[in-house]
Amino acid sequence: EPEVTQTPSHQVTQMGQEVILRCVPISNHLYFYWYRQILGQKVEFLVSFYNNEISEKSEIFDDQFSVERPDGSNFTLKIRSTKLEDSAMYFCASSARQGEKLFFGSGTQLSVL
Amino acid sequence: AQSVSQHNHHVILSEAASLELGCNYSYGGTVNLFWYVQYPGQHLQLLLKYFSGDPLVKGIKGFEAEFIKSKFSFNLRKPSVQWSDTAEYFCAVNADYKLSFGAGTTVTVRA
Repeated sequence: EPEVTQTPSHQVTQMGQEVILRCVPISNHLYFYWYRQILGQKVEFLVSFYNNEISEKSEIFDDQFSVERPDGSNFTLKIRSTKLEDSAMYFCASSARQGEKLFFGSGTQLSVL
Repeated sequence: AQSVSQHNHHVILSEAASLELGCNYSYGGTVNLFWYVQYPGQHLQLLLKYFSGDPLVKGIKGFEAEFIKSKFSFNLRKPSVQWSDTAEYFCAVNADYKLSFGAGTTVTVRA
């Protein structure tokens, strides 16, 4: 079965540093998403992306966050200046069509020290 | 905005026991419903989904869920659990093209 891949699996950074989390969605998918899961809490929606622009974002997705599809295969999440509370598991997902099954990547564990 | 409620935070049961996890959502329009599972140290995987048709859906690993529209519910069931079913289970609702997750239920199966 095709899969969404995320790199790195674990990222450690210092508070205030910029991080870029990378994702390769399934090749024929058109809709892309980032979710995060703070330890012990629910999975939270961050942002959805379609046709090279953000289609929806949550209140969590403030000016410190940005997403980009720099080429035909990668989908990145950038956190400009990390805070301690950004420590979480970040999941990328993609779907072929809006509203349909999401395929999730295995996640990137971000630890902000 | 829609919300998703999972009634049980932590369920502990013995192997061969039956499992039922509750999920309710609040949204009046058309929804697509999902159950995802997260095994320890792994990523989210889809167990089953409901889009339309037969409200009783069967998923992988012997799980099934029933959509009851009048109750806004989508409960997950398995008649006989195994130790390997120990995991976190998330109900999710897709409405207005956004997937919203419940808080999750930790299921611990004791051998």
